[in-house]
Amino acid sequence: QKEVEQNSGPLSVPEGAIASLNCTYSDRGSQSFFWYRQYSGKSPELIMSIYSNGDKEDGRFTAQLNKASQYVSLLIRDSQPSDSATYLCASRNAGNMLTFGGGTRLMVKP
Amino acid sequence: EAGVTQFPSHSVIEKGQTVTLRCDPISGHDNLYWYRRVMGKEIKFLLHFVKESKQDESGMPNNRFLAERTGGTYSTLKVQPAELEDSGVYFCASSQSLADTQYFGPGTRLTVL
Repeated sequence: QKEVEQNSGPLSVPEGAIASLNCTYSDRGSQSFFWYRQYSGKSPELIMSIYSNGDKEDGRFTAQLNKASQYVSLLIRDSQPSDSATYLCASRNAGNMLTFGGGTRLMVKP
Repeated sequence: EAGVTQFPSHSVIEKGQTVTLRCDPISGHDNLYWYRRVMGKEIKFLLHFVKESKQDESGMPNNRFLAERTGGTYSTLKVQPAELEDSGVYFCASSQSLADTQYFGPGTRLTVL
């Protein structure tokens, strides 16, 4: 079992819709969670971090964490074609290294 | 403020050759991390420097890989001798303190023929 699992996609949504990206993790010692966005050939860019159970909102993005279910999600409201990218879920334990999922490719169609 | 930079952006070498990758972290960032993504797999941690000291090198695959950070500024990752399975994208990241966001560089794409 992979430590952080994501559906590879592609997830295709129409412009203006809500995109929902999901991630599960196996290490209960994970303390914090991150969503990175990566455009093809570019560096991963942090868009959200979440440390405690519940929702965290930042603009069009909402991250959700449920430690009991070991589940992290990212919602993107009013999806735009420019949101088309690969979204990487990562966990961090006390050792500070990030453990990544394989990424979900999101396609937002005009 | 300049981000994390990596050099070269691409490297194509033959099996058995040596390659050295360089990472310049964001100025003032004591923490420097190396990660890599091999084809079809997720990004995996290699090692973590705090200033010039190796804090965690549990992800280094074998002794063909040598990372250094002399002076606590830029870091190099040498692969000697390179094998086919070393092909992938090598990312460097840096953070100011341990709990801070890790900022990633653009990566070096290594191809071993």
